Amino acid sequence: GAVVSQHPSRVICKSGTSVKIECRSLDFQATTMFWYRQFPKKSLMLMATSNEGSKATYEQGVEKDKFLINHASLTLSTLTVTSAHPEDSSFYICSVKAGSVQETQYFGPGTRLLVL
Amino acid sequence: GQNIDQPTEMTATEGAIVQINCTYQTSGFNGLFWYQQHAGEAPTFLSYNVLDGLEEKGRFSSFLSRSKGYSYLLLKELQMKDSASYLCAVMDSNYQLIWGAGTKLIIKP
Repeated sequence: GAVVSQHPSRVICKSGTSVKIECRSLDFQATTMFWYRQFPKKSLMLMATSNEGSKATYEQGVEKDKFLINHASLTLSTLTVTSAHPEDSSFYICSVKAGSVQETQYFGPGTRLLVL
Repeated sequence: GQNIDQPTEMTATEGAIVQINCTYQTSGFNGLFWYQQHAGEAPTFLSYNVLDGLEEKGRFSSFLSRSKGYSYLLLKELQMKDSASYLCAVMDSNYQLIWGAGTKLIIKP
């Protein structure tokens, strides 16, 4: 499987600040990257799908101006939570998928965000 | 609507066998995935079924019946480290993954 890293693994910030989370595919070129959010004891919730060099596709109910996604290269995607609020506190996980739409998704280790 | 159902929680004994069921109703089907997720960690891929039948991979096996909209994950020779949540996910006709809420498996000595 693919090796995916995320940075930072954990972040605590004050309400109103912005936080950037990086997702890197370390051993192959990921044409598609996904960003998920998971609240405690809840299922994974897809936030957006990003393809390299194009705008991200956001799921219904996810504010694209609040959750900025940049997929500038085949190995790096970033998620910026702008003007974070306590309700944005969650576990954010990225996943990558190579080429084919039927490819398995491989997940990064996740970033735990706590907004005070 | 699209729906994935799996039990919320199951308990089993170390060394035993456990079967985690998953039923689904989705718009189209392009495969079913099982992932393992330990507490506080991201999911890790376990198996992928797209044709009917049983796929065996070591102590873990996954079964699929497309006509019944049903899958199960079978874990043999349970170990304490198998305590985790097991997520069932179906890829629909748009190649989007639809996720179940996960089954928390508790292993007792």
